[in-house]
Amino acid sequence: LAKTTQPISMDSYEGQEVNITCSHNNIATNDYITWYQQFPSQGPRFIIQGYKTKVTNEVASLFIPADRKSSTLSLPRVSLSDTAVYYCLVGDGYSGNTPLVFGKGTRLSVIA
Amino acid sequence: ETGVTQSPTHLIKTRGQQVTLRCSSQSGHNTVSWYQQALGQGPQFIFQYYREEENGRGNFPPRFSGLQFPNYSSELNVNALELDDSALYLCASSLERGISYEQYFGPGTRLTVT
Repeated sequence: LAKTTQPISMDSYEGQEVNITCSHNNIATNDYITWYQQFPSQGPRFIIQGYKTKVTNEVASLFIPADRKSSTLSLPRVSLSDTAVYYCLVGDGYSGNTPLVFGKGTRLSVIA
Repeated sequence: ETGVTQSPTHLIKTRGQQVTLRCSSQSGHNTVSWYQQALGQGPQFIFQYYREEENGRGNFPPRFSGLQFPNYSSELNVNALELDDSALYLCASSLERGISYEQYFGPGTRLTVT
């Protein structure tokens, strides 16, 4: 399983763009990169997923360089409600042999 | 469409007892995974069931066992409870196996072992 490394915590002011980078140096060819968000006492919630280049949805953007050894989750104009833990996960897309492996995540604190 | 539900919400058990936690998957999902989340840690994978068969297991002892039923609901059973089993237990369902399929998590069951 590809191991991921991400910052333990980040602080940001409301209205700013936040970028959280995740390193996954031993990512495999079939691996996808997925980000989840978790609020206290709730289950994680899917944010975005990608394989290469850039993916954007209504919540976030995901930037993946050509070598795929890292990825950056970008949250535009964060608000207080974006305060949560963000997890970067890497695993085989379709084989079903790779469960979601969560690290400790990045604790994002948004300040007014 | 009903989301993933778990029961009970909270549970207090004594060391050495057994517990059964239940999960109802989202409609149409054939894969369910169970996770243990200790305070301040990320969820740790316990096991996954795909179409009623165990499809993978994390680093948990055999006293953690599970079942998935034909209607794709599932159970997590823990025998001989230990104090370290105190945690939030999460189940997640998905359309198919594989990380590319979004996992939908339930709200969790908070287990306290005294």
